[in-house]
Amino acid sequence: AQTVTQSQPEMSVQEAETVTLSCTYDTSESDYYLFWYKQPPSRQMILVIRQEAYKQQNATENRFSVNFQKAAKSFSLKISDSQLGDAAMYFCAYIDSGGSNYKLTFGKGTLLTVNP
Amino acid sequence: EPEVTQTPSHQVTQMGQEVILRCVPISNHLYFYWYRQILGQKVEFLVSFYNNEISEKSEIFDDQFSVERPDGSNFTLKIRSTKLEDSAMYFCASSEARQLGGLHFGNGTRLTVT
Repeated sequence: AQTVTQSQPEMSVQEAETVTLSCTYDTSESDYYLFWYKQPPSRQMILVIRQEAYKQQNATENRFSVNFQKAAKSFSLKISDSQLGDAAMYFCAYIDSGGSNYKLTFGKGTLLTVNP
Repeated sequence: EPEVTQTPSHQVTQMGQEVILRCVPISNHLYFYWYRQILGQKVEFLVSFYNNEISEKSEIFDDQFSVERPDGSNFTLKIRSTKLEDSAMYFCASSEARQLGGLHFGNGTRLTVT
C-alpha cells in the first residue's frame, strides 16, 4: 500500500521569507500524481499544486513550487515571499494514475505559522 | 470559478440517528468522492463514485454508510445509525477525470454525534 509521510508536524516562517515543507512517499508504481493541499482554519481543502510523476520539470504556481525527486520519492513544497494568508495546514497527497485506484492518500499534514 | 458545495456546514445528531450529508459537485465533473477528517488527524478516503456506482470504498465505509446520486446534481452520503466515532469533518470532492486534475473539495460538513 502507498504511504505518504510528512515529517514536520509544525513549521514557522517570517513574513516575506521562504519556507520548504517536506514530503516523502512510498510506492511501487512508476506512474502517479502528487499534490499539495492547503487547509486554512476554515477547514476548506484547497488544491495548491500538482505534479505528474512522468514529468521531470518541477511544477510551479506563482509563489509555490515543488522539488520533485522521483528516485528519492521526495516531493517538497517551497513557498516564497510568505504571506500571512499562507498560514494553514498543508497536506501532501498521492494517487496512482492507472488501474482502478481512485483514492488520494494523504500525509498527516504540516501546520505552517507565518510570523509578521 | 465553479465550486463544490456542501450542506449543512454543521450537523449535530444523537447517537443512533440517521444523517444525510449533501453535496453538489461541479457540473461537468464525472467522479465523486467522500473523505473524512477526524479532528486533528489526516484526511481519509471513504468512497468514490462513477457512472452511478461505487468505484472503490475503504474499510471505513461499512454497511452503515451509503451514497447516492438521486437526481443528476446532488451526491449524498447517508450514515444509517451514527456512532460517537463518526464525529468528523466530511468532505465531498469531485473531479473531471480520474484524479488527474486534482480533486476539488467542498468546504466540508462538520458532523457532531452526541
